[in-house]
Amino acid sequence: DSGVTQTPKHLITATGQRVTLRCSPRSGDLSVYWYQQSLDQGLQFLIQYYNGEERAKGNILERFSAQQFPDLHSELNLSSLELGDSALYFCASSVSGQEETQYFGPGTRLLVL
Amino acid sequence: AQSVTQLGSHVSVSEGALVLLRCNYSSSVPPYLFWYVQYPNQGLQLLLKYTTGATLVKGINGFEAEFKKSETSFHLTKPSAHMSDAAEYFCAVIFSAGNTPLVFGKGTRLSVIA
Repeated sequence: DSGVTQTPKHLITATGQRVTLRCSPRSGDLSVYWYQQSLDQGLQFLIQYYNGEERAKGNILERFSAQQFPDLHSELNLSSLELGDSALYFCASSVSGQEETQYFGPGTRLLVL
Repeated sequence: AQSVTQLGSHVSVSEGALVLLRCNYSSSVPPYLFWYVQYPNQGLQLLLKYTTGATLVKGINGFEAEFKKSETSFHLTKPSAHMSDAAEYFCAVIFSAGNTPLVFGKGTRLSVIA
């Protein structure tokens, strides 16, 4: 158990819908990262937050957005969902957002039908 | 472009045999290197990491990896495979200080045959 929690574990929805994925980092970690794992693209970095502020942005679609709240939990919002958004979405956390270990949650498996 | 290459999407070894999973990265500057393991329907678990110092790094479950700057490689090894080692292994790199998102390789699925 990494100490990073993600909810829900599974999500099934339809094209065009909007969903919210939630992540709680390890106690004491200030930085949260979101990654997407799909069969064709592999593991790709989406976005990073540090203490409530966006720090880095990767291959995140404009239909996707995220935020980190004062209690440090983070939410990833996916809207206008397409079939190709079906993937495993991981949240990771680290202490300071520098070059240290990132600890991964169990992931949210999203299926868009 | 910065990239991480894992040679072999699938490696199969016999129980008790040597495990060798290859990872190469594209960078002339020594990066920060990680190996993660993913068991079915689970998240990623850190096996080991290299940041600075000794180039031979020991991790959990008997795994180790050696950073070779001249070869831009960070291959993962284990002297004797166990059935419980069957999983997907990912090499990941932070390419420069201050640029902290991980860049992952495509992964290598390890099968262990009894």
